[in-house]
Parts: sequence; C-alpha cells; structure tokens
Amino acid sequence: DTEVTQTPKHLVMGMTNKKSLKCEQHMGHRAMYWYKQKAKKPPELMFVYSYEKLSINESVPSRFSPECPNSSLLNLHLHALQPEDSALYLCASRSTLAGVYNEQFFGPGTRLTVL
Amino acid sequence: TQLLEQSPQFLSIQEGENLTVYCNSSSVFSSLQWYRQEPGEGPVLLVTVVTGGEVKKLKRLTFQFGDARKDSSLHITAAQPGDTGLYLCAGAFHDYKLSFGAGTTVTVRA
Repeated sequence: DTEVTQTPKHLVMGMTNKKSLKCEQHMGHRAMYWYKQKAKKPPELMFVYSYEKLSINESVPSRFSPECPNSSLLNLHLHALQPEDSALYLCASRSTLAGVYNEQFFGPGTRLTVL
Repeated sequence: TQLLEQSPQFLSIQEGENLTVYCNSSSVFSSLQWYRQEPGEGPVLLVTVVTGGEVKKLKRLTFQFGDARKDSSLHITAAQPGDTGLYLCAGAFHDYKLSFGAGTTVTVRA
C-alpha cells in the first residue's frame, strides 16, 4: 500500500465554521506534512510532524491547527478562515528509515473554498 | 525565497514533439525529486535522483542530475496528450524539507 488518502475531496465553509481535514497513510512512514497550494503554484509547507510530534510550523496562522493522533493519521482543524485561505490542501508522508532519501508521497488533496 | 529556478514556466507543444524542463540552483541537494501534477490532484512522484551525473529513464522520460548536484533536467521524447500537467522539481535538504521549483505547466496538443 503506497497510498496517502485525504478526506473530504472538496469542502466549502463559511468564515465562522469549524471543520477538519483528514489524512491517512499505511506505509509505516513516521513523518507527515501539510501543504497549501494555490493554482499553478508549487506547494507551500505548513506543518511537519515527526514521530507524532510537531517539528516544523512555518509561521502558519493559529486558525489552522494540526493534530497527529497516531502514526497513521494527520488532521488539520480549521476555524475562522478567510477567503484567501481557499486553496488545495495537500498531505504528504515520508519514510524516516536510514538510507531512504527524502521522497515525499502526496495525497490527492482537499479542495477548500471559504465563502 | 525560491532556491530552485525552474524553466520554462509554460510549454505548449504538438503531440510527437520533444521537450525539456530545467531546474537550477546555487545550492547542493542531497537528492532531487520530479513530480507531475494534474489539475485538482496531488503531485505524483516520478523519480528521485541522488548521485551527481546520474541519468534515469522512465519510458519516454529521461532525468539527469548535474555532476555537482545543483541542477537537473527532465526530457520527454515524443510527447503525448497524457503528458500534460504541472511538472515540479523539488530539492531535499538535510532537515527533510523540500524546496520546490515554481513549476512548469506542460500542454501537449493532439
């Protein structure tokens, strides 16, 4: 199983809503990532979890709150978002085994629209 | 700060033609990945290059890593409409973050 799954595929929310994005992988990877991507631009790193602990926060606004309940799951909790937060949100995972290069495997993304 | 310069930004070619995408940096990378992404989908890993001077082939796609591990190229022979997409190069540093190029949007017309 070399797949990263993300739910939901599409999400429309108002600026006062609270919602969550979910990501799951069963490759035994112990590093997981959240990215934000605007159309025709490269992904922008938001958060990195390593061994279920937050290791990198790229100065992301507090209206985005990540959570890693276990080694297979990664959540992104959303609250009081702005229209400019509309984007494709990507989850990725990477093996932490020695000798394995930094290959990140991406999920299909969640297309988020904030009204 | 974009550490990887990717060019060209856009490419539109006829089916059957060849194309090359370039990725250049002043930094040395421990490895470099190439991804292809279709609209509304996540990037799909095509290849990882690790050794300076390395050449890898994936059917009609040829990937090269520069001798100094600072640059890479992707060459597609006899492009097909199915090759259409956003191509991204990404260099890896020791802290396991990826530095992405700006991307090349490739359109292959039938």
